[in-house]
Amino acid sequence: GENVEQHPSTLSVQEGDSAVIKCTYSDSASNYFPWYKQELGKRPQLIIDIRSNVGEKKDQRIAVTLNKTAKHFSLHITETQPEDSAVYFCAALSSYNTDKLIFGTGTRLQVFP
Amino acid sequence: GAVVSQHPSRVICKSGTSVKIECRSLDFQATTMFWYRQFPKQSLMLMATSNEGSKATYEQGVEKDKFLINHASLTLSTLTVTSAHPEDSSFYICSARDPPNAEAFFGQGTRLTVV
Repeated sequence: GENVEQHPSTLSVQEGDSAVIKCTYSDSASNYFPWYKQELGKRPQLIIDIRSNVGEKKDQRIAVTLNKTAKHFSLHITETQPEDSAVYFCAALSSYNTDKLIFGTGTRLQVFP
Repeated sequence: GAVVSQHPSRVICKSGTSVKIECRSLDFQATTMFWYRQFPKQSLMLMATSNEGSKATYEQGVEKDKFLINHASLTLSTLTVTSAHPEDSSFYICSARDPPNAEAFFGQGTRLTVV
């Protein structure tokens, strides 16, 4: 079935450093890949997304790259700040019956001052 | 962006009772809504897809008789946890997509504690 793998599960960086989170997906027909940030006890919030017709998208300190051939996409956060600390989830939109989002397992990012 | 509202945010119930959770799309119509369950420090696990005017589609391993879903209107889906047990304690969260953008918006989530 559809599957999204995410690595690493935890990531600790020093403030100002970059953080990279990687995901691979199994459904080759997926065409939409969002990234969500979830703070403790709160709802996931969309931070950036990318569609299959582009290879990279950037929004200030956040960028996402997509390699459709290899079926993987990555989140890049530059100049990390303590407030970036949260759990990040990647997702891929299923191309099967219900167009549902399949989530990765999450990455707990800690940014130390 | 679109707003999805979920209530209640927290609920404590006794074993054996039922709990209803509401998910509303406030400024758009959602023919499809999704219900997830999240255990502490874990990912969002899709439980079921709620379809307006028809039966919900449940993921493998999710008991449809235990987790009743009703999607009676284009702006409201409900999840009822029937005969709740302590192992049903979890964070339940709904989402809806605002077509055609495919962006999914999440409700605030409901923390259910069964005692």
